[in-house]
Amino acid sequence: DAKTTQPNSMESNEEEPVHLPCNHSTISGTDYIHWYRQLPSQGPEYVIHGLTSNVNNRMASLAIAEDRKSSTLILHRATLRDAAVYYCILRDVGTNAGNMLTFGGGTRLMVKP
Amino acid sequence: SAVISQKPSRDICQRGTSLTIQCQVDSQVTMMFWYRQQPGQSLTLIATANQGSEATYESGFVIDKFPISRPNLTFSTLTVSNMSPEDSSIYLCSVVAVAGSGYTFGSGTRLTVV
Repeated sequence: DAKTTQPNSMESNEEEPVHLPCNHSTISGTDYIHWYRQLPSQGPEYVIHGLTSNVNNRMASLAIAEDRKSSTLILHRATLRDAAVYYCILRDVGTNAGNMLTFGGGTRLMVKP
Repeated sequence: SAVISQKPSRDICQRGTSLTIQCQVDSQVTMMFWYRQQPGQSLTLIATANQGSEATYESGFVIDKFPISRPNLTFSTLTVSNMSPEDSSIYLCSVVAVAGSGYTFGSGTRLTVV
C-alpha cells in the first residue's frame, strides 16, 4: 500500500489560511490523492481529491507537487468549524484494493479565535 | 451525494451479547463498507459488504465475529457478536455511489460494552 505522512497536529488562527501538508513519496501513477476530514463526534466527510493538477472546490484547494510526492490541502480562511482531523489518503484506482479507503493518523487541526 | 442513516447512534451492551447495526442509504450505491474507530484512533476497515454474496473481510476480522448482510443496493447490517469490552468502538458505514467519486460516511454507532 502506498502510504502518507502527515504532521500529528497543527494550529491556525481564525480567518487565516491554513496549509496542511502530506508526503507520499511512494505514490504510483494510478494513485489519486484524497482528503477527508472528521469533525468531532461525526463520520469523515469528503473534502477534495486530485491526480496531477491542482484542484479547487467550495471547501478547499489541493496543491499537488510536480513529482506528486507531496501535496498540500489549503483552507483559504479557517473558521472554528474547520477544527477537525484531516486525513490524506491515496486511492489506487488501478487495483481492487483501491475501492476502499485506508486511513492513516491524520492531522488534528486546531483553530484559535 | 448519498445520505446515510445509521442506527442505532449509540448503545451500551452487556458482554457476551450481540448488536446489529443498520446502514440505510437514500439511493442505490455501488459499494458499501464497514469501519471501526477505536477510542482516540483512526479508522480501520472491517469489510466490504457485497450485495447478494458474502462480505470481503480485512485481515484481523472474521465473519463469525462480524457477520454482515447486504440484501440490496441501499441497505446493509453489521453485527458485533459475543461482545467484550475490547469491542467498545465507533462503527461506521461508508458508501460510494459512483466509482471515482467521493465516499460518504454515516455518523457512526458508538458502542460501549460493559
